[in-house]
Amino acid sequence: AQKVTQAQTEISVVEKEDVTLDCVYETRDTTYYLFWYKQPPSGELVFLIRRNSFDEQNEISGRYSWNFQKSTSSFNFTITASQVVDSAVYFCALSEGLGSGGSNYKLTFGKGTLLTVNP
Amino acid sequence: DVKVTQSSRYLVKRTGEKVFLECVQDMDHENMFWYRQDPGLGLRLIYFSYDVKMKEKGDIPEGYSVSREKKERFSLILESASTNQTSMYLCASSPWGGRGNQPQHFGDGTRLSIL
Repeated sequence: AQKVTQAQTEISVVEKEDVTLDCVYETRDTTYYLFWYKQPPSGELVFLIRRNSFDEQNEISGRYSWNFQKSTSSFNFTITASQVVDSAVYFCALSEGLGSGGSNYKLTFGKGTLLTVNP
Repeated sequence: DVKVTQSSRYLVKRTGEKVFLECVQDMDHENMFWYRQDPGLGLRLIYFSYDVKMKEKGDIPEGYSVSREKKERFSLILESASTNQTSMYLCASSPWGGRGNQPQHFGDGTRLSIL
């Protein structure tokens, strides 16, 4: 069974600090996909990134970067020079590549990390 | 941009009522999902559908049913609402395309209170 663990329940930083959100996953499949979503106070989940299990290259998008390491089953998310607008709940999620019917489209979410960026 | 629209942002119902939550997406996506979100528990999948009239149970289907008569609409039904179904309900959609690799797009959520 697949599982996603976000051990950090809440993180509080001061604006301009760098912050890393941890995500550890469990899966028995060799083909899988990892995602990060942001949920601002307004409530809508916003897709940030998708990574498949065959691509271990790190990715950078502006102030956001992601570090995927299969050896430690981790997919960590770093925000550089944080801003108040980064305050949100961040979810890591896993989709396995194998399954019957449409079940390979299911996402298993971690419990989320509440990030508060103070001015 | 993908638009997933949930019929109500806030809803208050009484115990024992039959409750319908509606979700419509405008991107011709094959897959649609219903989640509930509770503090400390994250998002949990209730039901999903990968085609019209097709449905599969998620992790917590008890007390819920779904209906997908048209591709763009996915309804969540609380057959007899109970107070433990008070929660935030999120609808999502995604296209087919490879094996589980497409991101899901979410609606704004419906905050449902059962009194």
